[in-house]
Amino acid sequence: AQKITQTQPGMFVQEKEAVTLDCTYDTSDPSYGLFWYKQPSSGEMIFLIYQGSYDQQNATEGRYSLNFQKARKSANLVISASQLGDSAMYFCAMRERGTGRRALTFGSGTRLQVQP
Amino acid sequence: DVKVTQSSRYLVKRTGEKVFLECVQDMDHENMFWYRQDPGLGLRLIYFSYDVKMKEKGDIPEGYSVSREKKERFSLILESASTNQTSMYLCASSRGQDYNEQFFGPGTRLTVL
Repeated sequence: AQKITQTQPGMFVQEKEAVTLDCTYDTSDPSYGLFWYKQPSSGEMIFLIYQGSYDQQNATEGRYSLNFQKARKSANLVISASQLGDSAMYFCAMRERGTGRRALTFGSGTRLQVQP
Repeated sequence: DVKVTQSSRYLVKRTGEKVFLECVQDMDHENMFWYRQDPGLGLRLIYFSYDVKMKEKGDIPEGYSVSREKKERFSLILESASTNQTSMYLCASSRGQDYNEQFFGPGTRLTVL
């Protein structure tokens, strides 16, 4: 079974509008962390935001916020006021503490295109 | 400024060649990782290391080996390159055992002919 599912291979959004990128995850570990990364066409992976499974508040970082719904096992990324520079691939990832594995498990990604 | 560097951005090799991909980080991180990125599959873990000379297999270790002789350097080795190893290879590092972000290198796009 997929650990991280991103169901939107591609999305379009108008500049200055908000957009939500979906991410659902599957784990039986009560302790885990969720990450979002951005990958522009240049290829580098840029860390955006982190949410811990025990965090009471949804994480926010500037224009990025994470809509964390633990019971639904979803961790959607919300980008407010989209900019042309937001056009990129976006990856959701998870790390489970119980496995002892320090690596991240990634979803297949969503390609976001911001239109002027 | 934190930095992870990879030895090549682009590499073209022939089937059967031995290929070395090198990764160096300057953040004194304990953990280092090699991922492979393919369209529609996201990033998949090949190997990781949490200490010098320590290594653990990831999800797709077949056809690869790794070496970590120094803390800052983690090498990925393709013993006998095959066309199905044509891909983007990303190195990353992170600190400690907690949920610390991983820092990525710029990637190496490897083509095996």
